[in-house]
Amino acid sequence: NAGVMQNPRHLVRRRGQEARLRCSPMKGHSHVYWYRQLPEEGLKFMVYLQKENIIDESGMPKERFSAEFPKEGPSILRIQQVVRGDSAAYFCASSRDTGAGTEAFFGQGTRLTVV
Amino acid sequence: QQPVQSPQAVILREGEDAVINCSSSKALYSVHWYRQKHGEAPVFLMILLKGGEQKGHDKISASFNEKKQQSSLYLTASQLSYSGTYFCGTGVNNNDMRFGAGTRLTVKP
Repeated sequence: NAGVMQNPRHLVRRRGQEARLRCSPMKGHSHVYWYRQLPEEGLKFMVYLQKENIIDESGMPKERFSAEFPKEGPSILRIQQVVRGDSAAYFCASSRDTGAGTEAFFGQGTRLTVV
Repeated sequence: QQPVQSPQAVILREGEDAVINCSSSKALYSVHWYRQKHGEAPVFLMILLKGGEQKGHDKISASFNEKKQQSSLYLTASQLSYSGTYFCGTGVNNNDMRFGAGTRLTVKP
């Protein structure tokens, strides 16, 4: 049973380009969380999704950022017109459900560098 | 609402004990603890549910005080491998998990 898979592991984009980050949850997991982590800082919640639904996007910037989790395929975090401040590690986590006692497993992260 | 962790950082000698605290301004449904090594993904340690239970494995345990909306992580007789940043994640309801800013633990020989 493969863990949470994120790709790419490293992504370099020029200012103004688009960045697409992919997250394939563990088998049987239908809940996905995205977090952003700046160097030497904590995990900042961005968005929580279930299959085909955005449940909570209160941590997402209002502009340029979007997320989806289609019925088939990985969850995608999309950042349009990237700026230097978007440089960070982006982690996704998946869980089987949100019932009591359900742990979330993290992917290895995508390190985005905007030059 | 992001939980508050304390202390922000702690330095120990091998064999010493440490306590990391996590508190929330909202009633909690669950508390999750994770450890992250530098440059790696956070790794799950344990979950605690409301009801004041205590959990643990090996020399790492945690408690959850529902009334005080707090959880504490206890590291006993610390080992070098315990070094890393510890995050608590709190679930206010069934739908989301927010993490604290982390506590950086350094264990020295």
